[in-house]
Order: sequence, then C-alpha cells, then structure tokens
Amino acid sequence: NAGVTQTPKFQVLKTGQSMTLQCAQDMNHEYMSWYRQDPGMGLRLIHYSVGAGITDQGEVPNGYNVSRSTTEDFPLRLLSAAPSQTSVYFCASSYSGRPYYGYTFGSGTRLTVV
Amino acid sequence: KQEVTQIPAALSVPEGENLVLNCSFTDSAIYNLQWFRQDPGKGLTSLLLIQSSQREQTSGRLNASLDKSSGRSTLYIAASQPGDSATYLCAVRWGAQKLVFGQGTRLTINP
Repeated sequence: NAGVTQTPKFQVLKTGQSMTLQCAQDMNHEYMSWYRQDPGMGLRLIHYSVGAGITDQGEVPNGYNVSRSTTEDFPLRLLSAAPSQTSVYFCASSYSGRPYYGYTFGSGTRLTVV
Repeated sequence: KQEVTQIPAALSVPEGENLVLNCSFTDSAIYNLQWFRQDPGKGLTSLLLIQSSQREQTSGRLNASLDKSSGRSTLYIAASQPGDSATYLCAVRWGAQKLVFGQGTRLTINP
C-alpha cells in the first residue's frame, strides 16, 4: 500500500550513541517533515524539506540532522543521543502547491535513550 | 503566536450518543485544517481535511466544520461506537510547512 514507511518501529539507545531513523514515501510527495510527540507537549516539528536537496529547521531542531538526496527518502539523524530525545518520532509527507493537500503520517518510531 | 487548543482534554460518553469535539486556533489566516485519529501506540490517521475556503466536510458518521472568523472547528461524531475510542487531534496549516497541532481530546465510548 502507498504511504509513509518508518523504520525501525522501536529502538533503545545508550546516551551518546548515534543512529538514523528512516522515512520513505512512495507517493511522490515534495514535502516531508519530522515530528516528535511527547506527553503534554503534543507534536512538534523538528525538520522539514520542500524537495530533494532542500531542508530547513522546525521548532525543535537541536540534536538532529537531516538530508534529502531523493524525493522518496528523508532520514533523521541523532548524532549523540540524550535522554531528552526519548520520544515517539513521526515522519509525514504532503503534496506541494495550492490547494494544499493534507499530510500523511507514518506509524512512528518509539525511541528510548538510557 | 499561532496556537491550537483542544477542549476538553478527555471525554467519556455512553455508546450511541452524538458528540462534538472542539478545536480553536489563534490566527484566521489558515491554509487548511486537518482532523486526525490516533489509537494508543499507533500513528496518525487522517479523518477529514477542510480547506480554508470550505465550511465543512463529511465522511460517514463524521462531520467537521470550520469557522475561520471565530477561529474554530468542530468534529461531530454521530451515533458513537466503542470503536471510536481514540485520541482525536486537530492540526492547522498556516504555511506550506507549518502544521501546528492541538494537544488532542482523548475520547472513550462506553458500551
């Protein structure tokens, strides 16, 4: 089925380790975003991309890097994991251009940093 | 600051009731508004999308309305069922990449 695929679904990291959360979509969406969801904080935008080779920071970008070499993939990198990055991470995608379409979300990656 | 508020945070009703979930937002210059459903431990499922030029959208037992001038949207659920139990999130799009979420309403339908 067409959609947004996130891997892994669960991950436990030790403080200081690095890892990459993968996100892929097969809908040819130009826009892709990463959100984190924390209790009491709702969903907050980490980084986003409006197309291959173009990325920008969202509301909570510190500690995360992104790149977008293809339309389909938008990986999120944690360079040195910290307990404060324990969260559920969601990737989302959307078509560009008006009228703006809705966003499609992946099933999430639940990350625990110990 | 562009903010989205959902009240109440939690709602519990008996099966069969019609109910309304509320979403308010601070800036009327929106592109669109999207209602999502989230089951525990799961991702977000899009329910309805309302463009800024529209007043309402319907899908089955769900109806979402939009009043930009008052900064409000409502999600109406008819003849509620236990399977409707979930957290409902309202998200407002203010820019090409600016999607702001409310905190959600946790809905429980009691058999």
